[in-house]
Amino acid sequence: QSVLTQSPSMSAAPGQKVTISCSGSSSNIGNDYVSWYQHLPGTAPKLLIYENNERPSGIPDRFSGSKSGTSATLGITGLQTGDEADYYCGTWNGNFWVFGGGTKLTVL
Amino acid sequence: QVQLVESGGGVVQPGGSLRLSCAASGFTFSHYGMHWVRQAPGKGLEWVAIIWNDGRTKVYADSVQGRFSISRDDSKNTLYLQMNSLRAEDTAVYYCATDGSHREVDHWGQGTRVTVSS
Repeated sequence: QSVLTQSPSMSAAPGQKVTISCSGSSSNIGNDYVSWYQHLPGTAPKLLIYENNERPSGIPDRFSGSKSGTSATLGITGLQTGDEADYYCGTWNGNFWVFGGGTKLTVL
Repeated sequence: QVQLVESGGGVVQPGGSLRLSCAASGFTFSHYGMHWVRQAPGKGLEWVAIIWNDGRTKVYADSVQGRFSISRDDSKNTLYLQMNSLRAEDTAVYYCATDGSHREVDHWGQGTRVTVSS
């Protein structure tokens, strides 16, 4: 059972927009920045968003992040088949790092 | 560019030990905290441990506390994870990753697979 709660799966068609949510508490999301990661099977996870809504260089602006209180959201617009992956939120919970349980995104 | 290469994975019997290594390049290793993160088959990412850049401050997930030990050798730009008293539930791909400058887990290696089985 993850400290951060994400929907296990979602699906959408190419070109559409999706939002992936991450729910936590005052001990984690409510007290620190949230980051988001994309993980394709057999590859290294990739940082998509840091500090709630900042994109590292090289990450397209189709990816966006936001945070409100103890919840955070990852948005992906203009879905592409290459976006099919597992997405994780993460943040600090005191001295421990915590990940959400992950959301498997299927692009139909 | 940042490169992290894990090694040392393999098959080990329950109760056994294994030491993972993570060779870092492309950045000033000694300046950064380093994480180990794992993914068991069919499961999500699970944070395992962090060692801060002072080399002394270490924090472990409850699931590995007392069995795993994280360390670093800044002269060799290498991170380690000593895993003792291994259990079947430790079976996973283990990733090393940098602690970023913005309260995030930043760059990741490709992972090394550990299988605990008799």
